[in-house]
Amino acid sequence: AQTVTQSQPEMSVQEAETVTLSCTYDTSESDYYLFWYKQPPSRQMILVIRQEAYKQQNATENRFSVNFQKAAKSFSLKISDSQLGDAAMYFCACANNAGNMLTFGGGTRLMVKP
Amino acid sequence: NAGVTQTPKFRILKIGQSMTLQCTQDMNHNYMYWYRQDPGMGLKLIYYSVGAGITDKGEVPNGYNVSRSTTEDFPLRLELAAPSQTSVYFCASSSPSLGLKPQHFGDGTRLSIL
Repeated sequence: AQTVTQSQPEMSVQEAETVTLSCTYDTSESDYYLFWYKQPPSRQMILVIRQEAYKQQNATENRFSVNFQKAAKSFSLKISDSQLGDAAMYFCACANNAGNMLTFGGGTRLMVKP
Repeated sequence: NAGVTQTPKFRILKIGQSMTLQCTQDMNHNYMYWYRQDPGMGLKLIYYSVGAGITDKGEVPNGYNVSRSTTEDFPLRLELAAPSQTSVYFCASSSPSLGLKPQHFGDGTRLSIL
């Protein structure tokens, strides 16, 4: 069984500044995958970044990076140089090794102020 | 390359009516999923399939049925619509051969039961 918790229902950031979204998870799997998805008002689910649990190096994708703390079961998302288009719901998710069970957190709504 | 296509995008049903939400993918993915997203919440897994002819229950399967006769299609059936099934429904697919196993999502179906 897997659980994913996002403790921040809403966050706001000034344009061009940096913001960090928190996520903790729990899983009985020895190998698993972690994801951040973005859901803009259009409702599309867009993959932002992904991390294999066996890799110690934190994943980065342009302005997006993660801080993966395996022992603490923490997987936070850092958005640098925030842009207005980053405003959306962000969901943290954990997948088992087989990839057939993806568990989502409750989401964090990110607002970007101009 | 269309990815994951869901139809319809919107639908209003009366209590007790039945309908089928269609989902098709053209990426030859083995795994397909149905999620529901209630307002302000994360996604919850309804059913999933690891291949044609194989389906299994997720977290919230009650009131729904699925079938998987082909690799491409994974329809979701509501037999007796209830107000509690008002939600946005997402279909997704993934391939076990992809190392990081991201799921590709359709654009969602907004369903209201009145």
